[in-house]
Amino acid sequence: EIVLTQSPGTLSLSPGERATLSCRASQSVSSSYLAWYQQKPGQAPRLLIYGASSRATGIPDRFSGSGSGTDFTLTISGLEPEDFAVYYCQQYGSSPPLTFGGGTKVEIK
Amino acid sequence: EVQLVESGGDLVQPGGSLRLSCAASGFSFSSYAMNWVRQAPGKGLEWVSGISGTGGTTYYADSVKGRFSISRDNSKNTLYLQMNSLRAEDTAVYYCAKGVPAFLHYFDYWGQGTLVTVSS
Repeated sequence: EIVLTQSPGTLSLSPGERATLSCRASQSVSSSYLAWYQQKPGQAPRLLIYGASSRATGIPDRFSGSGSGTDFTLTISGLEPEDFAVYYCQQYGSSPPLTFGGGTKVEIK
Repeated sequence: EVQLVESGGDLVQPGGSLRLSCAASGFSFSSYAMNWVRQAPGKGLEWVSGISGTGGTTYYADSVKGRFSISRDNSKNTLYLQMNSLRAEDTAVYYCAKGVPAFLHYFDYWGQGTLVTVSS
């Protein structure tokens, strides 16, 4: 089973700042099969990125994903008020099981 | 518009059973794998189970294997999760999540979830 470790646990930033979230895998994720989701309180997760760097339908271009192998990054180029949320990475390169990281909370500083 | 609506969550005693349903609309249901993902209160996401579009292939997380059973009725566009021998650690919001055509990949649409509470 691939274990995903997200860091930092919490990121305190101001609107307009750049956010850099990390997701590290315990072994290489084949074919860069990694996705990112955003979850706001009381809501279901929303797909942001798949295939490590492809934006899902309707996702603004301030969200970008990069990485390969064991190290992946989600970057939000300029935080909007609606971007403060919890972000999860998920791998699907070695499944089952599909596994998620523990999440990074992006909060307003 | 893709819609996934879960139902069936409830308060149940340890050792009890519950069946969750997920009514799907807005896409060709039988063409897509479907999944259940859960989230314990204040915790992260955990994939529970997945089923292929035809229903012929299923997979489970080790934490639920032998206790939970996933199924689908493509004539009713509905996904199910039969949960038996429930434990306190099964307490969570259960989300129905639509897969992409490739089985066991990522989830492009999620329902709003249904709460299962296991407690005496």
